[in-house]
Amino acid sequence: DVKVTQSSRYLVKRTGEKVFLECVQDMDHENMFWYRQDPGLGLRLIYFSYDVKMKEKGDIPEGYSVSREKKERFSLILESASTNQTSMYLCASSPLPGRAPYEQYFGPGTRLTVT
Amino acid sequence: LAKTTQPISMDSYEGQEVNITCSHNNIATNDYITWYQQFPSQGPRFIIQGYKTKVTNEVASLFIPADRKSSTLSLPRVSLSDTAVYYCLVGAPMTTDSWGKFQFGAGTQVVVTP
Repeated sequence: DVKVTQSSRYLVKRTGEKVFLECVQDMDHENMFWYRQDPGLGLRLIYFSYDVKMKEKGDIPEGYSVSREKKERFSLILESASTNQTSMYLCASSPLPGRAPYEQYFGPGTRLTVT
Repeated sequence: LAKTTQPISMDSYEGQEVNITCSHNNIATNDYITWYQQFPSQGPRFIIQGYKTKVTNEVASLFIPADRKSSTLSLPRVSLSDTAVYYCLVGAPMTTDSWGKFQFGAGTQVVVTP
């Protein structure tokens, strides 16, 4: 089974702090994604990466950056956390080309609270 | 980018069939339709995917009419454990040269009661 792990299930940070969310996948997948999930808004794509050191902006990249130094690891960085970044953050991975487009494997999520 | 619309919520009783329709009027020729299931405190889980006509697996069926402007996820004989949020996603496959834009729907909360 594909396993996607995220460094924390719950995180509380203060406004202005730099926040790192880590994601690791164990299936040698090329693609990795970061989403945020908010009530009534569903999942919104922040960034994704299709290879080491490669990244593409998603729908809501403002206020975020990402890093992918190794194939299995994809980090989401909040340079200066703000209260409107309080959310559930989900990491996912998928193979490229996959046997089924958009068959993504998700981690359990990190619930981030910025106070 | 195909915008998707799905009902906010649906209620059902155990043993009934649940059908969730997703509208995607501006679906592109190379877009696929994918459905995910999400339980509380978990990440979404892939259920089924299709391009046209009907697809069936051990969990669900996906019906896609000829014009592909909508799709219907069918859950046969639901149980309490099928209570979850179901997401529709429409997008083109990624390739090594480019990636296709895709967007998750807002999700449909399905509640199954005894």
